[in-house]
Amino acid sequence: GDQVEQSPSALSLHEGTGSALRCNFTTTMRAVQWFRKNSRGSLINLFYLASGTKENGRLKSAFDSKERYSTLHIRDAQLEDSGTYFCAANRGSALGRLHFGAGTQLIVIP
Amino acid sequence: AQTIHQWPVAEIKAVGSPLSLGCTIKGKSSPNLYWYWQATGGTLQQLFYSITVGQVESVVQLNLSASRPKDDQFILSTEKLLLSHSGFYLCAWMGGDAETLYFGSGTRLTVL
Repeated sequence: GDQVEQSPSALSLHEGTGSALRCNFTTTMRAVQWFRKNSRGSLINLFYLASGTKENGRLKSAFDSKERYSTLHIRDAQLEDSGTYFCAANRGSALGRLHFGAGTQLIVIP
Repeated sequence: AQTIHQWPVAEIKAVGSPLSLGCTIKGKSSPNLYWYWQATGGTLQQLFYSITVGQVESVVQLNLSASRPKDDQFILSTEKLLLSHSGFYLCAWMGGDAETLYFGSGTRLTVL
């Protein structure tokens, strides 16, 4: 069954505001990655976390393996942040399967 | 700096025809390489991975095969395409100590 539940599936934010995306895992995951889909459909890596939190500009991500979730916070949203965001996690070695969430489509409104 | 190149950018193929998609990594020796696939409206799925030349592990069975003929090259192929093969194919490599995945630009395949 699905091991990664990503929410919300769609999100609208006014410019300058913020929100959080979340991925819940049905089993203990070893690490999580967050990606953003670019205009061609490929994925750009935003974060890799094995634990704790990481921050990059207006983005901040957290991963709690024990509680089985990860979040991606966006603050002061800008129009160029619009796009689709994915989380992905692996249980064991990263050589094995990486399980992707279904994605969150973010629209930033002027 | 490492670069990943996928080809072709897009393909329109007939059912039953053969397919070959390529992926090349430059600037990284002995990379772990991956093929992913996303059907329209579907979730990204890992198809194959390879940790070294000549070794490929299948993750999902889709009547596709993969080969790693060179250290920097990963090929996805089939002799007979199915309609269900349509979608977006991504090659990726794993970098550094953090096991971060880096994706190529993808190939959009339409099977008619």
